[in-house]
Amino acid sequence: GQSLEQPSEVTAVEGAIVQINCTYQTSGFYGLSWYQQHDGGAPTFLSYNALDGLEETGRFSSFLSRSDSYGYLLLQELQMKDSASYFCAEADYKLSFGAGTTVTVRA
Amino acid sequence: NAGVTQTPKFQVLKTGQSMTLQCAQDMNHNSMYWYRQDPGMGLRLIYYSASEGTTDKGEVPNGYNVSRLNKREFSLRLESAAPSQTSVYFCASGKGSRGGNTIYFGEGSWLTVV
Repeated sequence: GQSLEQPSEVTAVEGAIVQINCTYQTSGFYGLSWYQQHDGGAPTFLSYNALDGLEETGRFSSFLSRSDSYGYLLLQELQMKDSASYFCAEADYKLSFGAGTTVTVRA
Repeated sequence: NAGVTQTPKFQVLKTGQSMTLQCAQDMNHNSMYWYRQDPGMGLRLIYYSASEGTTDKGEVPNGYNVSRLNKREFSLRLESAAPSQTSVYFCASGKGSRGGNTIYFGEGSWLTVV
């Protein structure tokens, strides 16, 4: 089965850096994905890590360590529009999502 | 590009009524999914279809049935709605690869059972 743990809430100010951790316990792990969901909207894909290391996409980066069963999403130069929920998910054909981390960006 | 389209967007049902949520994708994806999301909660998989003609239970299948009508369409049916099924329902589709599977969501269907 799949189990992904992430913090429930994070608050930071504009311009700051936020790291959202995700630990997992899965059998046959196929990689870690991250999705963003604004309030009232649909989740949208942000990034995917198949191998250990850092993947960078603009202000967002994602990291995976298979040996530690751990990954994180790094949000840099926070903007108000980054206030949303962020979900980690095992990137298998049957995606299992973590419970989500609500990020609140304050002015 | 339409992507994933689901209908209806909003629905109010009485306890015991039945209804079907429709979902269609135009991305030629193999896999399709139905998730529910309760307030402040994550996404829980109800059913998924890895390919046309196949369906499998997810984490919370009780009270639901699905039909993969063809490659494009995947419907979710509530046979006898219960208040516990009040939720936001998301349909999604993806290539269905083992690893690196990115899925694309519809806009959601807000269902209230009274």
